[in-house]
Amino acid sequence: EVQLLESGGGLVQPGGSLRLSCAASGFTFSSYAMNWVRQAPGKGLEWVSSISASGGLTYYADSVRGRFTISRDNSKNTLYLQMNSLRAEDTAVYYCAKNPRPWGDFYFDLWGRGTLVTVSS
Amino acid sequence: EIVMTQSPATLSVSPGERATLSCRASQSVSSDLAWYQEKPGQAPRLLIYGASTRATGIPARFSGSGSGTEFTLTISSLQSEDFAVYYCQHYNNWPPYTFGQGTKLELK
Repeated sequence: EVQLLESGGGLVQPGGSLRLSCAASGFTFSSYAMNWVRQAPGKGLEWVSSISASGGLTYYADSVRGRFTISRDNSKNTLYLQMNSLRAEDTAVYYCAKNPRPWGDFYFDLWGRGTLVTVSS
Repeated sequence: EIVMTQSPATLSVSPGERATLSCRASQSVSSDLAWYQEKPGQAPRLLIYGASTRATGIPARFSGSGSGTEFTLTISSLQSEDFAVYYCQHYNNWPPYTFGQGTKLELK
Protein backbone atom coordinates (compact mmCIF):
# COMPACT_ATOMS: atom_id res chain seq x y z
CA GLU A 1 0.00 0.00 0.00
CA VAL A 2 1.23 3.46 -0.90
CA GLN A 3 1.43 5.50 2.29
CA LEU A 4 3.24 8.02 4.42
CA LEU A 5 3.34 7.67 8.20
CA GLU A 6 4.49 10.54 10.38
CA SER A 7 5.79 10.19 13.94
CA GLY A 8 7.68 12.14 16.54
CA GLY A 9 5.15 14.75 17.53
CA GLY A 10 4.38 15.65 21.12
CA LEU A 11 4.45 18.34 23.77
CA VAL A 12 7.56 20.49 23.97
CA GLN A 13 8.41 23.67 25.85
CA PRO A 14 9.09 26.95 24.05
CA GLY A 15 12.70 27.03 22.95
CA GLY A 16 12.86 23.25 22.81
CA SER A 17 13.56 20.85 19.96
CA LEU A 18 11.79 17.97 18.29
CA ARG A 19 12.51 15.72 15.33
CA LEU A 20 9.68 14.49 13.15
CA SER A 21 9.95 11.44 10.92
CA CYS A 22 7.92 10.29 7.96
CA ALA A 23 8.17 6.68 6.82
CA ALA A 24 7.29 6.07 3.19
CA SER A 25 6.13 2.79 1.70
CA GLY A 26 4.64 1.45 -1.52
CA PHE A 27 6.59 3.68 -3.92
CA THR A 28 10.19 4.47 -4.88
CA PHE A 29 10.91 7.07 -2.20
CA SER A 30 14.25 8.13 -3.68
CA SER A 31 12.58 9.26 -6.93
CA TYR A 32 10.44 12.04 -5.50
CA ALA A 33 10.84 15.36 -3.75
CA MET A 34 9.18 15.49 -0.35
CA ASN A 35 7.63 18.20 1.76
CA TRP A 36 6.33 19.19 5.16
CA VAL A 37 3.03 21.07 5.44
CA ARG A 38 1.45 22.12 8.73
CA GLN A 39 -1.96 23.10 10.01
CA ALA A 40 -2.39 25.10 13.20
CA PRO A 41 -5.50 24.30 15.27
CA GLY A 42 -8.58 25.61 13.49
CA LYS A 43 -6.49 27.13 10.71
CA GLY A 44 -5.63 26.40 7.10
CA LEU A 45 -2.69 24.62 5.53
CA GLU A 46 0.80 26.17 5.48
CA TRP A 47 3.69 24.88 3.36
CA VAL A 48 6.80 24.55 5.56
CA SER A 49 9.68 22.99 3.63
CA SER A 50 10.67 20.93 0.59
CA ILE A 51 13.61 18.67 -0.27
CA SER A 52 14.62 17.25 -3.63
CA ALA A 53 14.72 13.54 -4.38
CA SER A 54 18.49 13.41 -3.89
CA GLY A 55 18.42 15.64 -0.82
CA GLY A 56 20.67 18.22 -2.43
CA LEU A 57 18.09 21.00 -2.76
CA THR A 58 15.91 22.46 -0.04
CA TYR A 59 13.35 25.24 0.38
CA TYR A 60 11.98 26.72 3.61
CA ALA A 61 9.16 29.05 4.55
CA ASP A 62 10.40 32.32 6.03
CA SER A 63 8.62 31.47 9.30
CA VAL A 64 10.89 28.47 9.93
CA ARG A 65 14.11 29.25 8.05
CA GLY A 66 17.11 29.04 10.36
CA ARG A 67 15.19 27.01 12.96
CA PHE A 68 13.97 23.95 11.04
CA THR A 69 16.02 21.54 8.92
CA ILE A 70 14.54 19.11 6.41
CA SER A 71 16.50 15.99 5.50
CA ARG A 72 15.96 12.51 4.15
CA ASP A 73 17.53 9.06 4.25
CA ASN A 74 16.73 7.31 1.00
CA SER A 75 18.21 4.04 2.27
CA LYS A 76 15.58 4.05 5.03
CA ASN A 77 12.73 5.57 2.95
CA THR A 78 12.36 8.23 5.62
CA LEU A 79 11.91 11.99 5.65
CA TYR A 80 12.82 14.12 8.67
CA LEU A 81 12.13 17.56 10.06
CA GLN A 82 14.45 18.78 12.82
CA MET A 83 12.72 21.59 14.67
CA ASN A 84 14.74 23.82 17.00
CA SER A 85 13.94 26.99 18.95
CA LEU A 86 10.27 26.08 18.90
CA ARG A 87 7.65 28.75 19.48
CA ALA A 88 4.01 28.64 20.48
CA GLU A 89 3.07 29.54 16.90
CA ASP A 90 4.69 26.33 15.67
CA THR A 91 1.89 24.37 17.33
CA ALA A 92 0.23 22.43 14.53
CA VAL A 93 -0.41 19.10 12.91
CA TYR A 94 2.58 18.43 10.66
CA TYR A 95 1.92 16.54 7.45
CA CYS A 96 4.45 14.79 5.26
CA ALA A 97 3.57 15.15 1.57
CA LYS A 98 5.01 13.75 -1.66
CA ASN A 99 5.79 15.64 -4.88
CA PRO A 100 4.98 14.13 -8.26
CA ARG A 101 8.57 14.70 -9.48
CA PRO A 102 12.17 14.62 -8.21
CA TRP A 103 12.06 18.46 -8.02
CA GLY A 104 9.66 21.14 -9.18
CA ASP A 105 5.87 21.08 -9.51
CA PHE A 106 5.30 21.63 -5.83
CA TYR A 107 1.85 20.20 -5.51
CA PHE A 108 1.34 17.17 -3.30
CA ASP A 109 -0.09 13.92 -4.62
CA LEU A 110 0.20 11.86 -1.43
CA TRP A 111 -0.18 12.95 2.17
CA GLY A 112 0.23 11.32 5.54
CA ARG A 113 -2.28 11.66 8.36
CA GLY A 114 -0.06 14.00 10.32
CA THR A 115 1.54 14.24 13.74
CA LEU A 116 0.61 16.85 16.33
CA VAL A 117 3.26 19.16 17.74
CA THR A 118 2.27 21.27 20.74
CA VAL A 119 4.61 23.98 21.99
CA SER A 120 3.60 25.07 25.44
CA SER A 121 5.00 25.54 28.93
CA GLU B 1 4.30 36.22 -1.44
CA ILE B 2 1.27 35.25 -3.50
CA VAL B 3 -1.94 35.40 -1.48
CA MET B 4 -4.65 32.87 -2.32
CA THR B 5 -8.22 33.88 -1.44
CA GLN B 6 -11.06 31.37 -1.49
CA SER B 7 -14.76 32.10 -1.54
CA PRO B 8 -17.14 31.50 -0.01
CA ALA B 9 -15.82 30.47 3.39
CA THR B 10 -18.79 28.13 3.79
CA LEU B 11 -21.08 26.75 1.12
CA SER B 12 -24.33 24.97 2.01
CA VAL B 13 -25.53 22.61 -0.70
CA SER B 14 -27.96 19.70 -0.93
CA PRO B 15 -26.90 16.26 -2.19
CA GLY B 16 -27.29 16.00 -5.95
CA GLU B 17 -26.80 19.73 -6.47
CA ARG B 18 -23.83 21.46 -8.08
CA ALA B 19 -21.21 23.21 -5.98
CA THR B 20 -18.93 25.93 -7.30
CA LEU B 21 -15.90 26.99 -5.26
CA SER B 22 -13.69 29.94 -6.18
CA CYS B 23 -10.01 30.70 -5.67
CA ARG B 24 -8.26 33.94 -6.55
CA ALA B 25 -4.51 34.59 -6.64
CA SER B 26 -3.04 38.00 -5.84
CA GLN B 27 -0.90 37.72 -9.00
CA SER B 28 -0.81 35.37 -11.94
CA VAL B 29 0.13 31.77 -11.16
CA SER B 30 -0.45 30.62 -14.76
CA SER B 31 -2.04 27.15 -14.45
CA ASP B 32 0.08 26.12 -11.44
CA LEU B 33 -2.92 25.58 -9.21
CA ALA B 34 -3.99 22.52 -7.20
CA TRP B 35 -7.14 21.67 -5.26
CA TYR B 36 -7.28 19.40 -2.20
CA GLN B 37 -10.03 17.83 -0.13
CA GLU B 38 -9.67 17.52 3.63
CA LYS B 39 -11.85 15.45 5.96
CA PRO B 40 -11.46 15.23 9.75
CA GLY B 41 -8.95 12.62 10.83
CA GLN B 42 -7.92 11.82 7.26
CA ALA B 43 -4.95 12.74 5.11
CA PRO B 44 -5.67 15.56 2.67
CA ARG B 45 -6.31 14.30 -0.86
CA LEU B 46 -5.19 15.84 -4.14
CA LEU B 47 -8.14 16.42 -6.46
CA ILE B 48 -6.89 18.65 -9.26
CA TYR B 49 -3.49 19.87 -10.48
CA GLY B 50 -2.52 22.07 -13.39
CA ALA B 51 -5.77 23.93 -12.67
CA SER B 52 -7.87 21.38 -14.58
CA THR B 53 -6.29 17.89 -14.53
CA ARG B 54 -7.95 15.38 -12.25
CA ALA B 55 -5.61 13.38 -10.05
CA THR B 56 -5.57 9.60 -10.25
CA GLY B 57 -8.77 8.04 -8.99
CA ILE B 58 -10.72 11.28 -8.68
CA PRO B 59 -14.31 10.97 -9.92
CA ALA B 60 -15.35 12.86 -13.04
CA ARG B 61 -17.87 14.94 -11.07
CA PHE B 62 -14.89 17.00 -9.88
CA SER B 63 -13.63 19.53 -12.42
CA GLY B 64 -11.28 22.48 -12.30
CA SER B 65 -11.00 25.52 -14.53
CA GLY B 66 -9.27 28.86 -14.80
CA SER B 67 -5.82 30.31 -15.30
CA GLY B 68 -3.89 33.37 -14.26
CA THR B 69 -5.60 34.65 -11.14
CA GLU B 70 -9.13 33.18 -11.20
CA PHE B 71 -9.89 29.51 -10.62
CA THR B 72 -12.95 27.39 -9.99
CA LEU B 73 -13.57 23.91 -8.59
CA THR B 74 -16.93 22.48 -9.59
CA ILE B 75 -18.56 19.38 -8.14
CA SER B 76 -21.32 18.54 -10.56
CA SER B 77 -23.61 16.41 -8.40
CA LEU B 78 -22.75 16.32 -4.73
CA GLN B 79 -22.46 12.97 -3.01
CA SER B 80 -22.56 12.53 0.76
CA GLU B 81 -18.82 11.82 0.86
CA ASP B 82 -18.02 15.19 -0.76
CA PHE B 83 -18.88 17.27 2.30
CA ALA B 84 -15.47 18.40 3.46
CA VAL B 85 -13.09 21.36 3.42
CA TYR B 86 -11.47 22.26 0.11
CA TYR B 87 -8.21 24.13 -0.34
CA CYS B 88 -6.54 25.65 -3.36
CA GLN B 89 -2.76 26.00 -3.54
CA HIS B 90 -0.42 27.63 -6.04
CA TYR B 91 2.94 26.16 -6.97
CA ASN B 92 4.10 28.74 -9.46
CA ASN B 93 7.84 29.42 -9.64
CA TRP B 94 9.33 30.22 -6.25
CA PRO B 95 8.10 29.44 -2.73
CA PRO B 96 6.23 29.98 -0.54
CA TYR B 97 3.64 27.68 -2.08
CA THR B 98 0.66 29.21 -0.38
CA PHE B 99 -2.79 27.75 0.24
CA GLY B 100 -6.13 29.48 0.37
CA GLN B 101 -7.91 29.62 3.71
CA GLY B 102 -10.34 26.89 2.66
CA THR B 103 -14.01 26.52 1.77
CA LYS B 104 -16.15 24.32 3.98
CA LEU B 105 -18.77 22.46 1.96
CA GLU B 106 -21.63 21.59 4.28
CA LEU B 107 -24.91 19.79 4.01
CA LYS B 108 -27.88 22.07 3.48
